[in-house]
This record gives sequence, C-alpha cells and structure tokens, in this order.
Amino acid sequence: SQKIEQNSEALNIQEGKTATLTCNYTNYSPAYLQWYRQDPGRGPVFLLLIRENEKEKRKERLKVTFDTTLKQSLFHITASQPADSATYLCALPGYSSASKIIFGSGTRLSIRP
Amino acid sequence: EAGVTQSPTHLIKTRGQQATLRCSPISGHTSVYWYQQALGLGLQFLLWYDEGEERNRGNFPPRFSGRQFPNYSSELNVNALELEDSALYLCASRPRQGSYEQYFGPGTRLTVT
Repeated sequence: SQKIEQNSEALNIQEGKTATLTCNYTNYSPAYLQWYRQDPGRGPVFLLLIRENEKEKRKERLKVTFDTTLKQSLFHITASQPADSATYLCALPGYSSASKIIFGSGTRLSIRP
Repeated sequence: EAGVTQSPTHLIKTRGQQATLRCSPISGHTSVYWYQQALGLGLQFLLWYDEGEERNRGNFPPRFSGRQFPNYSSELNVNALELEDSALYLCASRPRQGSYEQYFGPGTRLTVT
C-alpha cells in the first residue's frame, strides 16, 4: 500500500534562515502532491499543489519541488519568521482514487527569534 | 465567502453512547470529507461524500457512518463510542470539478469518558 513519510523529528530553525521539510512516498506515482499547514487544535490550511509534470512551484516565500524519480517533495520556507511555526503536512491522492487524499503525519516546525 | 463550519466545537460522551457531528461545506462545494485526528497523530481518512453518495471510506469499523444532505451539508455518526474514539474530527470540502485542494473546518473535539 502507499506510504508517506515526513521528518518525524521537529525542526528548529533560526529566524531568517530557510526551513526545508521533506516528504517521501513509496509504492506508486501520484499525479500531484499538496502541502498544508496546521496550527494546534485547528484544521489544516492548503498552501500549495504541485503536479507530476512540474518540477517546482513558488508562492511568496514558499517553494515546493517534486522529484518523481526520487519519489520525494521538498518544501522550503525562505526568510523564516516565528509566525511560520506550525506543523506542515504533505498530502497525496489515494492510489484507488485521485479525489481521496492521504496525509503524512506532518513535521513540526519551530522558528526561534 | 463563509468557510467550512462544524458543530459542535466540543462534545463529551461516555462509552457506549452515540455521537453526531455536523459539517456545512463552503457554498458551491459538493464534496465533503471527514478525517479523524487523534492527539499527536496524523489525519486519518474516514469518509468521502459527493453529490449525496458515499464515494469512499477509510479503514474504520461500520459504527462510523454518515450521510450527505441535498444541501451538501454532512453528518458523521459514531455509534457505541469507545475511549479510543476521542479525537479531533475534521471536515473538509472541495468543489466537484477543478482543483484538488481541500478546505477544512475548525473541527469537533470529541472526548469519550
């Protein structure tokens, strides 16, 4: 069955640096991949979607890459700020249905001033 | 534009009871998804409804069920509650056509004692 792996450890970054989060997946080739942000006790918020034929996507200080050969996506936050502290979730379409989304367990990011 | 709404915010039940959780999607969205997020764990896919029909369900027992009404709002029912059902239950909506990003509600915190 499909498997999604994100950095299990929390990531602590100094303000102003670039934070890089990793999402690895196995056992199939998704047509797209999404990244969400989740704050404690709240619902996730959609950030970016990247399709299999796109290598890179940007939105303001965010950048996502998608390497279908390595089966990996990298999520970068440049010029990080304390307000960027949250859990970031990687999500892929289900193997049996592109409309069903499977979420990774997330990486908790802390930006220290 | 109003976002996804869920009610109640908190729900406390005892073992063996039934719980009913409600979700109203964003206007114009026809797909509704339900997820369970136990404390410290990732989002587990529960159910997907579209156009009033159950389209897919996750690996949960039959005591987790739901429905979607003609106005696309949805209800999640959990029968014979067990202690391990305590979790944040999140609802998300998506338009039927177009992009795959999901818009989440604030969640219902269910506590089973």
